[in-house]
Amino acid sequence: KQEVTQIPAALSVPEGENLVLNCSFTDSAIYNLQWFRQDPGKGLTSLLLIQSSQREQTSGRLNASLDKSSGRSTLYIAASQPGDSATYLCAVRPGTQGGSEKLVFGKGTKLTVNP
Amino acid sequence: KAGVTQTPRYLIKTRGQQVTLSCSPISGHRSVSWYQQTPGQGLQFLFEYFSETQRNKGNFPGRFSGRQFSNSRSEMNVSTLELGDSALYLCASSLSGVHNSPLHFGNGTRLTVT
Repeated sequence: KQEVTQIPAALSVPEGENLVLNCSFTDSAIYNLQWFRQDPGKGLTSLLLIQSSQREQTSGRLNASLDKSSGRSTLYIAASQPGDSATYLCAVRPGTQGGSEKLVFGKGTKLTVNP
Repeated sequence: KAGVTQTPRYLIKTRGQQVTLSCSPISGHRSVSWYQQTPGQGLQFLFEYFSETQRNKGNFPGRFSGRQFSNSRSEMNVSTLELGDSALYLCASSLSGVHNSPLHFGNGTRLTVT
């Protein structure tokens, strides 16, 4: 059974700092891994999707890496801003469920960027 | 392009009642999934529909059911509500058939059971 863990559960940093969020998963048989952002009381916004054959993806100040063999992904945020404050969720799409697009989520890292 | 639309945004129900939540996917998306989010359990998969057929189902009791219509819109129903059903219910859609298409989520329906 696939399990996804995110450490730390919460993180507080001063504005301008570069930071890394961690995600680990127990089964390396995945189609892809997605990073999402969730603001309080809102739905999830997709940030980056890394295919199982890829090592990293970049979008603006965000860079996500994937090491499938070790079951790890990191989300790097450069020059953090108060607007980056949110909960960041990591999710994997298992490769053992046929055509299903079910995602298995971690419990998230709550990020606070202080001005 | 409009995003995933969920209605209503908020619901307050009493134990024992039933509730129906609605989800309209992004135009052209044929796959719809439902998730329950609670502070203790996080995001848990409920079910997934594609072309009006349930493609996958999570570990929830039979009180939770869903369906998908020919226009890809989906509804989920919870009968005999319990206090523990209080949660944010999120719907997601995707361009199914493409292994690496991202899921797009709506803003959810906040259900409170009293």
